Formats: sequence, structure tokens, C-alpha cells
Amino acid sequence: GAVVSQHPSWVICKSGTSVKIECRSLDFQATTMFWYRQFPKQSLMLMATSNEGSKATYEQGVEKDKFLINHASLTLSTLTVTSAHPEDSSFYICSAREPDEQFFGPGTRLTVL
Amino acid sequence: GEDVEQSLFLSVREGDSSVINCTYTDSSSTYLYWYKQEPGAGLQLLTYIFSNMDMKQDQRLTVLLNKKDKHLSLRIADTQTGDSAIYFCAEKVGTDSWGKLQFGAGTQVVVTP
Repeated sequence: GAVVSQHPSWVICKSGTSVKIECRSLDFQATTMFWYRQFPKQSLMLMATSNEGSKATYEQGVEKDKFLINHASLTLSTLTVTSAHPEDSSFYICSAREPDEQFFGPGTRLTVL
Repeated sequence: GEDVEQSLFLSVREGDSSVINCTYTDSSSTYLYWYKQEPGAGLQLLTYIFSNMDMKQDQRLTVLLNKKDKHLSLRIADTQTGDSAIYFCAEKVGTDSWGKLQFGAGTQVVVTP
């Protein structure tokens, strides 16, 4: 199947700094990518839908100014957590949509100290 | 609360069959999915079923769908230690073919020797 990568796989940062997470579709082009957040022992919560060349669509309750999403090419979407705080610590997972399937990245573990 | 509900934990002995149950709420869902997540990793699509099907079998996996009761189950035959993971059921929401997914909380399956 198609492969989606995320970078970094884990990151530790200080409170108040910004962190960028990349999501890449390695062997296919994805006009649509999704960003999820997963808390320990909980389900995935969809944060936003990222469409190439246009603004992301955020789910209700997700702060657009805090979680900046850029989908500048058909193989790359980025999520920037701005002015991170400890409550932003979580596992962030992206997925990329191919016409017949949605493929998930391995996730990025963010820890904010 | 969750729109998709699953039991949280299942313990099964190696070689036995596992059955993971899920209920969903959107009767218009056309696609229902089962994903597997191993520790620290992203999600792997195991199988999916169209809403006009009652059953789908793929090697050791059998999916049963009861649309009337909005009940979905995943049976794993001859469960192996490598099947230990968290299993998520998900329903497609929205009107396009591979749009947003609504996930259940996940069922942790522990396989004992």
C-alpha cells in the first residue's frame, strides 16, 4: 500500500515555542490530508482537513491560530503548533487520502515541558 | 460522548478466536472500517465493508454488519500474539467517497500464550 511519513517521530519542546510537524505522502499525490490528535488510551480526534492549495477546514473547537496547517504541495502538509503549552502534549497523526483509501502516518509524539 | 462505541478491552488466548464489537449511530454511513494500532505507531487499515454488505471475509478476518442494529463486529480467527494491539472501528462521515472518519475509542486486545 501507499506510504505516509511523518517527521519528526517525537519532539520535546519548551512551553511557548512553536513546533512544526510534517506529513508526506511518499509514493502518491494527496489532494486531501487529515490531521488527528490522540490522547493516551483514547480515540483519534479529527482536528482539521487539509486541502492542497486552499485553507484547511478545522473541526469545531480546534483553534485555527494555534494549529496552523499548510498544504503547499500534493505530497506535503505541515501542522505547526504555535506557542505550545503542556496541554498540547499529545500524539499527532496525519493521514493522506488516495482515491480509494486513506493512509495513516506513524504519528508524532509531542511533549511540551 | 462517542458516536462510535466499542468495548475497551479484550483478553484472548493464543489460537482462540477474538470478536470485537462496535456500534455506530449514523445510519447513512456507507463505509465502515477496522483499523489496527500497535504501540507508538499509526493506524493500519485492516479491512472495510460497504453498507450494502452483511459480511466480508479476508483470510483470518471476518467482518459482520447488522445495519438494523447499527452493529459491526470483527472476528479474528486463530488469534496470534502479533494480533495484540488496539483495534478501532470507524465510520465514514460526509458525502464524498473517502472523507472524514469518526473513530470509536478503540478496543485493546491482549493475546496471552
